[in-house]
Amino acid sequence: AQSVSQHNHHVILSEAASLELGCNYSYGGTVNLFWYVQYPGQHLQLLLKYFSGDPLVKGIKGFEAEFIKSKFSFNLRKPSVQWSDTAEYFCAVNPDNDMRFGAGTRLTVKP
Amino acid sequence: KAGVTQTPRYLIKTRGQQVTLSCSPISGHRSVSWYQQTPGQGLQFLFEYFSETQRNKGNFPGRFSGRQFSNSRSEMNVSTLELGDSALYLCASSLGAGGYNEQFFGPGTRLTVL
Repeated sequence: AQSVSQHNHHVILSEAASLELGCNYSYGGTVNLFWYVQYPGQHLQLLLKYFSGDPLVKGIKGFEAEFIKSKFSFNLRKPSVQWSDTAEYFCAVNPDNDMRFGAGTRLTVKP
Repeated sequence: KAGVTQTPRYLIKTRGQQVTLSCSPISGHRSVSWYQQTPGQGLQFLFEYFSETQRNKGNFPGRFSGRQFSNSRSEMNVSTLELGDSALYLCASSLGAGGYNEQFFGPGTRLTVL
């Protein structure tokens, strides 16, 4: 079945550590790719998106993601996390005009 | 500009009842999508409406239905509620339909079925 996979269910890091959250999808053809974040008690909000062009996409709050077409991956990265990055992160893929989300990765950053 | 609003924020119902949830999109947005969020299944796409027409539908039973009004406001209805319908129901709006539009999410309606 076509899907969006986020490899890590829960990631725990110390402040200043580097972050990489994996996302793989199994849809063929052209897809649009997104990372959304949900801070505790807040709405889902867009971190970054990829439609075309430079496969390295920069988003808000120092996050970036790299689209590797051959690997069907769109991993999220941040060089140095902060306590305020504690949140749940969702990868989403939009094939055929409907949004499919991964199960989410909960990130806990310890001060 | 006001964000996406959803009412009510919390609902408690019993099995067999029906429920209607409401979503008001950001002004000017014509697309509204609905999602069910549960700890076990994550975010699952229910349906998308654009200009009062359902464009896409996820893999949910017919008990889940929706509609969109001419002012782009949308309602979602769940009939014959089951315990497994307990979830956070999220609404998201976007300017247009399709994959190139960023979705803006509302706070959700927390539905508890007893």
